[in-house]
Amino acid sequence: GAGVSQSPSNKVTEKGKDVELRCDPISGHTALYWYRQSLGQGLEFLIYFQGNSAPDKSGLPSDRFSAERTGGSVSTLTIQRTQQEDSAVYLCASSSRKTGEETQYFGPGTRLLVL
Amino acid sequence: GNSVTQMEGPVTLSEEAFLTINCTYTATGYPSLFWYVQYPGEGLQLLLKATKADDKGSNKGFEATYRKETTSFHLEKGSVQVSDSAVYFCALRSGRGSTLGRLYFGRGTQLTVWP
Repeated sequence: GAGVSQSPSNKVTEKGKDVELRCDPISGHTALYWYRQSLGQGLEFLIYFQGNSAPDKSGLPSDRFSAERTGGSVSTLTIQRTQQEDSAVYLCASSSRKTGEETQYFGPGTRLLVL
Repeated sequence: GNSVTQMEGPVTLSEEAFLTINCTYTATGYPSLFWYVQYPGEGLQLLLKATKADDKGSNKGFEATYRKETTSFHLEKGSVQVSDSAVYFCALRSGRGSTLGRLYFGRGTQLTVWP
């Protein structure tokens, strides 16, 4: 597609439920990133996928968070047993290392509210 | 480690005023530096970047120069417009090691321009 897309755009869930957030990167981009934007913490890195390499999971805040990337394209971020502090905007970005450009292009985000 | 410190907001200016938003960083290796902008209701967009010392990034009348000696990447614009009202984020991407790829963001600076 023309840009990074994310779904859903908004998600309201109850504390303790699991949620899945989806990211479709720009076609051909080999690198994919998840970030979280919250009032208290600003923009935080969560996880980074690059091609077939093992992902960099160093930013995941707890073992309730996980992500996968299937076929080197679409990625799903899963939050299990959601807590109110998980409420934030979850941003996905992708970049291409082939050109050496490596600029990260961001999607519109998924706004998650945990009640 | 890697970190970005940017000027606390909010910043309020009259149209045609001069803008400076300060950004300093600490980094391992030789980072690339970025300014991203988030307009109301929209996603993060790359505004400009610089990949090595003394490079100047520019776009839409905004400029920032990569100063290695002062570890700074201040954003400037000579004459702001109402349409520049947005949140501005300074960011770095490490040039070394396992952190290569992820962006480290400042806390963001809210700019409001009045007519």
